[in-house]
Amino acid sequence: DAEITQSPRHKITETGRQVTLACHQTWNHNNMFWYRQDLGHGLRLIHYSYGVQDTNKGEVSDGYSVSRSNTEDLPLTLESAASSQTSVYFCASSDVGRDEQYFGPGTRLTVT
Amino acid sequence: AQSVAQPEDQVNVAEGNPLTVKCTYSVSGNPYLFWYVQYPNRGLQFLLKYITGDNLVKGSYGFEAEFNKSQTSFHLKKPSALVSDSALYFCAVKGPNSGYSTLTFGKGTMLLVSP
Repeated sequence: DAEITQSPRHKITETGRQVTLACHQTWNHNNMFWYRQDLGHGLRLIHYSYGVQDTNKGEVSDGYSVSRSNTEDLPLTLESAASSQTSVYFCASSDVGRDEQYFGPGTRLTVT
Repeated sequence: AQSVAQPEDQVNVAEGNPLTVKCTYSVSGNPYLFWYVQYPNRGLQFLLKYITGDNLVKGSYGFEAEFNKSQTSFHLKKPSALVSDSALYFCAVKGPNSGYSTLTFGKGTMLLVSP
């Protein structure tokens, strides 16, 4: 069955370190998204991509970057982790012409 | 800019009773509206969507939602709640002129169904 996976599921890192969160989907979807989920804020869009080599900034993109070298993967990089980036991160994908998104299980990131 | 409001942080209902989770939206033009559910330690799951047509939309697990254009609302409903419906529910909106396929989510409403 097609799915979307995220790794690691849990990560603890120190302030200032670079961290990369992986997202892999086998739906063959062109559209991929990264969100962070924080209490009182719901889900906020970080970055998104509509296809290979395409990336776009979302609502809360500062301190984050993504790259899309193939259809299946959209890794999220925190260039220099900050305590304010402690959160649960979700990756999602959707098909061309369809708006419903399919979500991964999430990565809980703690920055100490 | 598009936005969604979920006015209740938590909704409590007894099993077997009807439930309603409220959502209001703001968007330019005709909205695309969605409901998602999140169970503990899981990602969000798509429940239903409204694009156009019938104002009552039926979705997964017996849920339905009613679109009301005059009240700019899209409330989630279920005739008879189950304990297993206890979860976090998110409403989301996309405007016709917003970024292709990007959704704006509400802050979520925790639904607790007691036995």
